[in-house]
Amino acid sequence: KNEVEQSPQNLTAQEGEFITINCSYSVGISALHWLQQHPGGGIVSLFMLSSGKKKHGRLIATINIQEKHSSLHITASHPRDSAVYICAAGSARQLTFGSGTQLTVLP
Amino acid sequence: DAGVIQSPRHEVTEMGQEVTLRCKPISGHNSLFWYRQTMMRGLELLIYFNNNVPIDDSGMPEDRFSAKMPNASFSTLKIQPSEPRDSAVYFCASSPSGGTGEAFFGQGTRLTVV
Repeated sequence: KNEVEQSPQNLTAQEGEFITINCSYSVGISALHWLQQHPGGGIVSLFMLSSGKKKHGRLIATINIQEKHSSLHITASHPRDSAVYICAAGSARQLTFGSGTQLTVLP
Repeated sequence: DAGVIQSPRHEVTEMGQEVTLRCKPISGHNSLFWYRQTMMRGLELLIYFNNNVPIDDSGMPEDRFSAKMPNASFSTLKIQPSEPRDSAVYFCASSPSGGTGEAFFGQGTRLTVV
C-alpha cells in the first residue's frame, strides 16, 4: 500500500510570497495528482504529472520519480490561493491521497 | 463541457431515511469513482466503475451502501438506512482511458444525517 506524506500540514504566507508544498510517496507510481479544495467547495484537479515539470499560470508542479517526491510551487501568492492542497499518488483508478496542506495567504 | 455534475449539493436527512446521491460524469469518460471525505479519514474510495461495470467495491463500508451505473452518463450512490456516522462529503469523479489518466472531480454532496 502506498503511503503519501505531505508537508507542511499548515502554511501561512503573506501575499506575494513564493510557496512550496511537498509530497513524498513510498511506492513507485505512474503519475501523481495535485488537487485544490476551497472551504466548502469541490475538488479541482490542478495537475497530473508523471515526469519533469508542469506549469499553469502561477502554479508549478515538479516530480522526481527516482526520489519518489513531488513539489507544488505557487509564485506571487494571493489570498485567493487560500485552500487545501492535496497530493494524490497514482492514476485515477489507484489514487492514494495525502492528508492535505492547509494554505492561508494573508493580504 | 460542464464537468462532473453532482446532485444535490447539500442533503440533510433523518436517521433511518434513504438517501440517494447522483452523478453525471464528463461525456466520453469511461471510468467513474465515488469517494467519501471525512475529517477523520480524509478521502476514501468507495467504488469504481469502468464502462458502467463495478470493478472495485471493496471500499463500500457496509451493505447499507449501494451504487449503480445504469448507463455511461449517470450513477447513483444510495444509503439505506442512513446513520449519523454517514455524515460526510461524497465526491464523484470521472476519468478517461479506463482510469489510467487524470481524475476530474465533482463539487461534492455534503450529507448530514441527524
